[in-house]
Amino acid sequence: AQSVTQLDSQVPVFEEAPVELRCNYSSSVSVYLFWYVQYPNQGLQLLLKYLSGSTLVKGINGFEAEFNKSQTSFHLRKPSVHISDTAEYFCAVTTTTSGTYKYIFGTGTRLKVLA
Amino acid sequence: GAGVSQSPRYKVAKRGQDVALRCDPISGHVSLFWYQQALGQGPEFLTYFQNEAQLDKSGLPSDRFFAERPEGSVSTLKIQRTQQEDSAVYLCASSSWTSGRYNEQFFGPGTRLTVL
Repeated sequence: AQSVTQLDSQVPVFEEAPVELRCNYSSSVSVYLFWYVQYPNQGLQLLLKYLSGSTLVKGINGFEAEFNKSQTSFHLRKPSVHISDTAEYFCAVTTTTSGTYKYIFGTGTRLKVLA
Repeated sequence: GAGVSQSPRYKVAKRGQDVALRCDPISGHVSLFWYQQALGQGPEFLTYFQNEAQLDKSGLPSDRFFAERPEGSVSTLKIQRTQQEDSAVYLCASSSWTSGRYNEQFFGPGTRLTVL
């Protein structure tokens, strides 16, 4: 069975500072990996995804993530955060052999950008 | 509309009442997913439809939960005899479908269910 661990439930960071949100997964088969952002009272918006190819993935709003197969990680990074990045961030996985591609989500990391 | 819509956005129910939550997927999307997001948690898979066929209902927590998509478009998630532990945000997502290939899931805004 697959699982996703987001080690940090909350990450406070000052505006214009860099940030890294950590995600580790476990799976016995090959996976696809995703980061979603959720603003208050809104649905999930896809930030970026890794399906295959280059392990460094660039997404929207200046975010990027690196797939590390040996460490089973997919950490999200941004070199300089803005107040508007304050939101909940979810890492998710699905397997390449899934017939449905249903997601397994982590418990989320609340990013709080401070002025 | 261009996106996935859900109604109602907020629902308050007394314990024991039945509720029905509606999802309108993006037009033409074959695949439809329901997820449950408890407070402070990540979304958890409930069920999956391909057109009108419910191919995976492994995540439904009890037989009080029932989902349907009779014409392969709009879907309804029904919860019978609601309990306090059913309080959560219910998210719907839809995607196009290609055999053997991943297609991006697009999420609706969710329905926040509060059971008193």
